[in-house]
Parts: sequence; C-alpha cells; structure tokens
Amino acid sequence: NAGVTQTPKFRVLKTGQSMTLLCAQDMNHEYMYWYRQDPGMGLRLIHYSVGEGTTAKGEVPDGYNVSRLKKQNFLLGLESAAPSQTSVYFCASSYSLSRGGTEAFFGQGTRLTVV
Amino acid sequence: AQRVTQPEKLLSVFKGAPVELKCNYSYSGSPELFWYVQYSRQRLQLLLRHISRESIKGFTADLNKGETSFHLKKPFAQEEDSAMYYCARLNFGNEKLTFGTGTRLTIIP
Repeated sequence: NAGVTQTPKFRVLKTGQSMTLLCAQDMNHEYMYWYRQDPGMGLRLIHYSVGEGTTAKGEVPDGYNVSRLKKQNFLLGLESAAPSQTSVYFCASSYSLSRGGTEAFFGQGTRLTVV
Repeated sequence: AQRVTQPEKLLSVFKGAPVELKCNYSYSGSPELFWYVQYSRQRLQLLLRHISRESIKGFTADLNKGETSFHLKKPFAQEEDSAMYYCARLNFGNEKLTFGTGTRLTIIP
C-alpha cells in the first residue's frame, strides 16, 4: 500500500520556469491538500480539494494553481516560478475529518529550489 | 481566520524530564485539534487527536476551552522524542486543516 506519493522528490527550477508537482493517493480519499513548509513559518495551506473536480484556496494560494481531474491525483502547478517559492511541499489526503476520517496522511515531500 | 499558535520555535529538554509543548487556538465553538510529529527525514504523521483521547508514545494532550489551549505533555522525555511537532486545527465547515508554526523539540542526553 503506497499511501500518498509525491513526484518529484527534488527539483531545481530557474526563475520564470513552470512545473507541476503530482500527488497520488491510493486510499480512495475525498480530501486532498497541498502545503508548503518553510523554516519558522510551519505548514501553510496552499490549496485543497474536497472531491474530484473541486478545488479551494488555502492561506497562501498566490502563484499556484491546482487541478483534481481524478479522485486519486491532485496536481500543484507553478506557472512562473519565483525564488520565494523555494520550499518543501507536502501533499496530504484524508476521508472527511469531521465525518469519520481519523487523520490526514502525508506524502514524503518535494524539495523545490528556485534560482 | 481560525489560527493555531505555537509560541516556542525551539525547546530543549533533558532526558527524563517532563515535556510540555504549547498550542493555543483562536476561539470558535468546539474545535477539533491534532498533534502531528515529523521525525528527521520522515513524513509527518499523526501523534494524537483530541477526539480519540488516546495516549500515544506516552504523550497526552488535554483541550482547555477556557484557556483555548491544547498543550502536548509527556512526563519523562526520551531521546527518540526529538522531532518537529505541529499542532493543527480542523475547520468543520470547510474541512480546512490549519497548522501552527511548529516546535522543534530536542532531548538532551
């Protein structure tokens, strides 16, 4: 059982380049989340999704776009990368935490550096 | 906005001493709160959740609505407790899971 898998694990981008981070889960979870982790800032929610075909903004959505075309995948896109987007990105998935889901399961993280 | 505050970025405790990691939340009805832990080079994992009222790895956390706190406690620290700890809060209305800034706990042998 793979759980939550993020691709890629590491990436270096030049300013202005674009890329897509992929999050895949095999637990049939409705909810999926993208966070960024920065020193002293903790985990900040970028975007999340409550089901296939739906997305919503989190705390720091600017500069990112997301799509949830398939229930098992949640894509995070950077259209024009900036050095301020250098971070470790985490994806998580869960059943509804307010209706029986016990916890959000996290991926292993993607370390992105924008130079 | 519903906020989670962890006032300590760093905390060092001697092995065998009691541990308390602080978490405060902004008041809003009946919150659902979590503690997550991230060991070195590992992914975040759930340590405990308020609603389950379980004790995991010797850690407990009590919800204090009067003080709007959910502090994490352990009576005797062990070296393997060294990790990053995050307090998190669930917004029941939109299922947003919001994390605090985290506390890095170091256990001194």
